[in-house]
Amino acid sequence: QSALTQPASVSGSPGQSITISCTGTSSDVGNYNLVSWYQHHPGKGPKVMIYEVFKRPSAISDRFSGSKSGNTASLTISGLQPEDEADYYCWSYGGKGTWVFGGGTKVTVL
Amino acid sequence: QVQLVQSGAEVKKPGASVKVSCKASGYSFTTYDINWVRQATGQGPEWMGWMNPMRGNTGYAQKFQGRVSMTRNISIGTAYLEVSSLTSDDTAVYYCARLDRAGESYWGQGTLVTVSS
Repeated sequence: QSALTQPASVSGSPGQSITISCTGTSSDVGNYNLVSWYQHHPGKGPKVMIYEVFKRPSAISDRFSGSKSGNTASLTISGLQPEDEADYYCWSYGGKGTWVFGGGTKVTVL
Repeated sequence: QVQLVQSGAEVKKPGASVKVSCKASGYSFTTYDINWVRQATGQGPEWMGWMNPMRGNTGYAQKFQGRVSMTRNISIGTAYLEVSSLTSDDTAVYYCARLDRAGESYWGQGTLVTVSS
């Protein structure tokens, strides 16, 4: 069982928006603005989509956005596209040099 | 650009050890901690620990203490993860990562370790 809770799957039609939640505790997500998200396609390395809750690496589309409220962080994908179909994972700093991860969410583009 | 390039897939027998390497480039190797994360099929990622390349000090997740060792060779900008007393539960993809507390994080491509008799 992962330390951070994510829904197992989320789906949407092309062009729609979807949101993936990532729930932790007041010791990790709620205590630090250090939540990140990565996209994972089978056989490839992780691709960081969001870091520090809402910041985007320069190469990442602005269709991806992040936010946080209390102990729950969220990743929103707007204008869903077929290439967005992948697994998405969140992770957070847990204090004292530790990191905690979510169990992952499979995004399906219908 | 920042790159972390890992060694190739390994197949090991139960009870053996495995050593995975992670070569860093595109930044000063001694400036940022290297973390190791593993992911078994069908499971979420699991943080294993960190190593400070400058000083060589480490911090391991409690689950792995006594069974993993994180080291480095500064001259070639490479970090290593060694896991001993392997069991089938250790079959997973192992990643090295710069999980920075300020700024973007970077990940290696992953190394599949299969433990099978």
